[in-house]
Amino acid sequence: GENVEQHPSTLSVQEGDSAVIKCTYSDSASNYFPWYKQELGKRPQLIIDIRSNVGEKKDQRIAVTLNKTAKHFSLHITETQPEDSAVYFCAASLRGSQGNLIFGKGTKLSVKP
Amino acid sequence: GAGVSQSPSNKVTEKGKDVELRCDPISGHTALYWYRQSLGQGLEFLIYFQGNSAPDKSGLPSDRFSAERTGGSVSTLTIQRTQQEDSAVYLCASSQGLAGALLLSSGANVLTFGAGSRLTVL
Repeated sequence: GENVEQHPSTLSVQEGDSAVIKCTYSDSASNYFPWYKQELGKRPQLIIDIRSNVGEKKDQRIAVTLNKTAKHFSLHITETQPEDSAVYFCAASLRGSQGNLIFGKGTKLSVKP
Repeated sequence: GAGVSQSPSNKVTEKGKDVELRCDPISGHTALYWYRQSLGQGLEFLIYFQGNSAPDKSGLPSDRFSAERTGGSVSTLTIQRTQQEDSAVYLCASSQGLAGALLLSSGANVLTFGAGSRLTVL
């Protein structure tokens, strides 16, 4: 069935370094790609999203890139800080059912001071 | 309300019992979603509602699971004859419009999650 693959499952970086998380999707008609951050014991919260008619979007230290041909999108966090430590989820909307938002399995990011 | 409210926050039940989980979305949000998150795992899509209608129920794990939404607002997720593998956090989310819809209003697609209902089946 339709799915979203996310890599890596865990990522450890030194404070100040960059972190990159990658996702691939199977539905070529997917048109909406949000990223959510979930801190330990808390609910997921949107950090950035991108639509299929845009190739890149940036918000301060966070950026998302989308390659529709290859069907993959990535989250880039620059100048990482300890408070960036969390689980990050990518997601993609599915064709034919505009409400279905399918999530990847998550990436646990640890930023070491 | 100001946010998405879910109840109960915690539920411990015995295997074989039925449970009902409730979600009260943000006022005015037409779309409502249910996800399941097992310990340390990702977000498993269960079902979504547009208004009171659930166009896609294929994510429900078995026929023991059902959901309804009334008045375009509150939704209940019912699990009959609970099994130990049903133990998880059940998350509800709502949005102004459907996640994948082409909407003019910025942010209308964004899902706002509730705090979840932690279900433990003994």
